[in-house]
Amino acid sequence: KQEVTQIPAALSVPEGENLVLNCSFTDSAIYNLQWFRQDPGKGLTSLLLIQSSQREQTSGRLNASLDKSSGRSTLYIAASQPGDSATYLCAELTTDSWGKLQFGAGTQVVVTP
Amino acid sequence: DAGVIQSPRHEVTEMGQEVTLRCKPISGHNSLFWYRQTMMRGLELLIYFNNNVPIDDSGMPEDRFSAKMPNASFSTLKIQPSEPRDSAVYFCASSLQGASQETQYFGPGTRLLVL
Repeated sequence: KQEVTQIPAALSVPEGENLVLNCSFTDSAIYNLQWFRQDPGKGLTSLLLIQSSQREQTSGRLNASLDKSSGRSTLYIAASQPGDSATYLCAELTTDSWGKLQFGAGTQVVVTP
Repeated sequence: DAGVIQSPRHEVTEMGQEVTLRCKPISGHNSLFWYRQTMMRGLELLIYFNNNVPIDDSGMPEDRFSAKMPNASFSTLKIQPSEPRDSAVYFCASSLQGASQETQYFGPGTRLLVL
């Protein structure tokens, strides 16, 4: 059964610290791994997408890595800001899932000023 | 592009009433997804359409739930009769399946409260 796990469930850091969010997946037939951000009361916004052939993707202060052999992805957010406070979800798209994303439960992040 | 559009944004109804949620996907996208999000169960995929055809409805909770996609620019999710346990945020998302950077674009959601 395809499962995606995110640890920790919640994280609080002071402004300026780097954030490290972890995502584990069990299905090795991965097509891509995606990271989303969800603000309270809002929908999900796609942040980064890593293809199975890639090892990492970067966008500004965000960097996501993918290690297929260990079934892990990590999202790094450098020099965190209060505006980074949100819930971050990872999702796996597999080659046999007909476009269905399997989401983790998310990590709720609070960045304190 | 306006993104994925959902209506209504909020819905309060009484148990037993019919509820219809609406979604307009991003123009040109060929896949549409309906999700339900609750604190207890997180984000659950209810049903997935590709080229207006339902591909997988295994996430639909029971016969009270039905979804249609009569054309490429419109989909509905109907609950009849509604129950308090259906209270949740319902998201619609669309994507261009087969694209090299295939990702899903989410609407703002419909917050449903069944009393």
